[in-house]
Amino acid sequence: AQKVTQAQTEISVVEKEDVTLDCVYETRDTTYYLFWYKQPPSGELVFLIRRNSFDEQNEISGRYSWNFQKSTSSFNFTITASQVVDSAVYFCALSDSWGKLQFGAGTQVVVTP
Amino acid sequence: GAVVSQHPSWVICKSGTSVKIECRSLDFQATTMFWYRQFPKQSLMLMATSNEGSKATYEQGVEKDKFLINHASLTLSTLTVTSAHPEDSSFYICSARSAAQETQYFGPGTRLLVL
Repeated sequence: AQKVTQAQTEISVVEKEDVTLDCVYETRDTTYYLFWYKQPPSGELVFLIRRNSFDEQNEISGRYSWNFQKSTSSFNFTITASQVVDSAVYFCALSDSWGKLQFGAGTQVVVTP
Repeated sequence: GAVVSQHPSWVICKSGTSVKIECRSLDFQATTMFWYRQFPKQSLMLMATSNEGSKATYEQGVEKDKFLINHASLTLSTLTVTSAHPEDSSFYICSARSAAQETQYFGPGTRLLVL
């Protein structure tokens, strides 16, 4: 069975601080995909990144960066120099080759001015 | 690209009525569509997976007679909540992906309130 654990329920930071969201996953599949989605108060899920199990290269996109480590089954997400607009719930998710997504519980990020 | 729409965005209905929610992929052909349910301050739970032209596959614990899913075309899937009751009140979100995509793209969601 697949499982995604986001141990941090809520993280509060002051604007311009960095924030790292942890994600630990469990799967028996050798081929799988990891995702991060952002859910602002409006409710719509915004796709941020996808990583397949064979690509451990870390990625940076603007203020966002991701650290994928298969050895620890982790796929952590860092927001650098946070802004108020980053306030949202962030979900880490894992899918098998059939596309069924297993979501973590989500981490609420609150950025105050 | 990869835009998914849902209609309606909000629906309020009386207990016992049926509600239909539409999910459309606007700029790609969605061979697979997924329906999720999200209660306040909780994560998304997969309800069912539908492939175009096939019967939907429901997750354990989801009543298929209660939540009717139809995926009649490559751009449209519908979820009908039959004889809705207050406990069906939730945020329903669909997602879609094409055969060439590993990424699911999500619709904006539909908030259902059953009185």
